[in-house]
Amino acid sequence: QLVLTQSPSASASLGASVKLTCTLSSGHSSYAIAWHQQQPEKGPRYLMRLSSDGSHRKGDGIPDRFSGSSSGAERYLTISSLQSEDEADYYCQTWDTGTWVFGGGTKLTVL
Amino acid sequence: QVLLVQSGAEVKKPGASVKVSCKTSGYTFGTNTLHWVRQAPGQRLEWMGWISAGDGNTKYSQKFQGRVTITRDTSASTAYMEVSSLRSEDTAVYYCAREVGGPFDIWGQGTMVTVSS
Repeated sequence: QLVLTQSPSASASLGASVKLTCTLSSGHSSYAIAWHQQQPEKGPRYLMRLSSDGSHRKGDGIPDRFSGSSSGAERYLTISSLQSEDEADYYCQTWDTGTWVFGGGTKLTVL
Repeated sequence: QVLLVQSGAEVKKPGASVKVSCKTSGYTFGTNTLHWVRQAPGQRLEWMGWISAGDGNTKYSQKFQGRVTITRDTSASTAYMEVSSLRSEDTAVYYCAREVGGPFDIWGQGTMVTVSS
């Protein structure tokens, strides 16, 4: 069964960097994913598509501070030079044979 | 500019149905698949199903099969999502989203549906 696992929470200081993780279930380590950001009381915003080889394609207007990387079944979202507006929930998403799946989301707190 | 604009908030009684619309603009409607996703208060995003805007084919999450119907009107560049037999657990924000070969690159603003007696 295709499942995405995310840590429920993360925190980092203003101006620092943070790396969020999304783990694909066993047997699905070659799958691409997408990252989305959801700021408080807002709808989701597409950040990027991230492939198993670490290549990624960002959405329009997404700052260079956001980048993606991969290792095995893990997909990462790194945010550098953290700003207050980066405080949000971050969801990973994947798809297989007509079905789509979201991770549980990581709530990022900027200290 | 690609936009997905959804209909306004709804309040429904248990057992009723609700139909949410998603009007698209800024691209050729028939070239992409549109998905519906919901988010209950404080909960994760939950994928519900999709419609191929070109040919009208649909697929639903097993959880919603039989209770959710997704349709589209190509002349209006609009997709619709109807949930029947509403219960309190269906209280959520419902989003439409455009798919581009897997990822959802554009999201609607969301429609709050409240189910309450």
